[in-house]
Amino acid sequence: DAGVTQSPTHLIKTRGQHVTLRCSPISGHKSVSWYQQVLGQGPQFIFQYYEKEERGRGNFPDRFSARQFPNYSSELNVNALLLGDSALYLCASSSGTGVDEAFFGQGTRLTVV
Amino acid sequence: RKEVEQDPGPFNVPEGATVAFNCTYSNSASQSFFWYRQDCRKEPKLLMSVYSSGNEDGRFTAQLNRASQYISLLIRDSKLSDSATYLCAVNIFPQASGGSYIPTFGRGTSLIVHP
Repeated sequence: DAGVTQSPTHLIKTRGQHVTLRCSPISGHKSVSWYQQVLGQGPQFIFQYYEKEERGRGNFPDRFSARQFPNYSSELNVNALLLGDSALYLCASSSGTGVDEAFFGQGTRLTVV
Repeated sequence: RKEVEQDPGPFNVPEGATVAFNCTYSNSASQSFFWYRQDCRKEPKLLMSVYSSGNEDGRFTAQLNRASQYISLLIRDSKLSDSATYLCAVNIFPQASGGSYIPTFGRGTSLIVHP
């Protein structure tokens, strides 16, 4: 079985640009969560989607948005990129029951210059 | 106060040592608890779930103390390959949410095992 897949793995963008990150969850999982991880910190929660509906939103500006598709894959969009958006963006897949563990993709390393 | 707190370390120990990490959480409605391992510039990988009765997997033992709201990870007979960052994760039900448990992570504890 394929695990969580994210694309692209690395990305370099210029300040002010827009970026779209993609995630495909584990087959059978209906929940996708997005996290931002900067060096030396734990993953910070951005969004959670379950059955195509937003179930949670972390403390991130409106420049960050996401959606989930009928096949449960998901996109994270970030507009008007800032230098401080440079980070590892992680997608986590889970069944969505709340009691189970999350499985991570390999992440997208975003560098904003 | 952060919802999940960990001592960032680093914990610098010799091979063969026993080392323990603690993690505290603030939301008493927390549902499930986990330890993840993260290697440098890689994604976190599930190490083990933490059950109320405690659980063991080889050299690793995890325990949960709901009354004091902390979880622990004990590593016995440390190996060089255990060097990594250990993240604790708690499924928290936020006060204002659409109704879903959110996996919430601590900042991680760095472990360095030296020869």
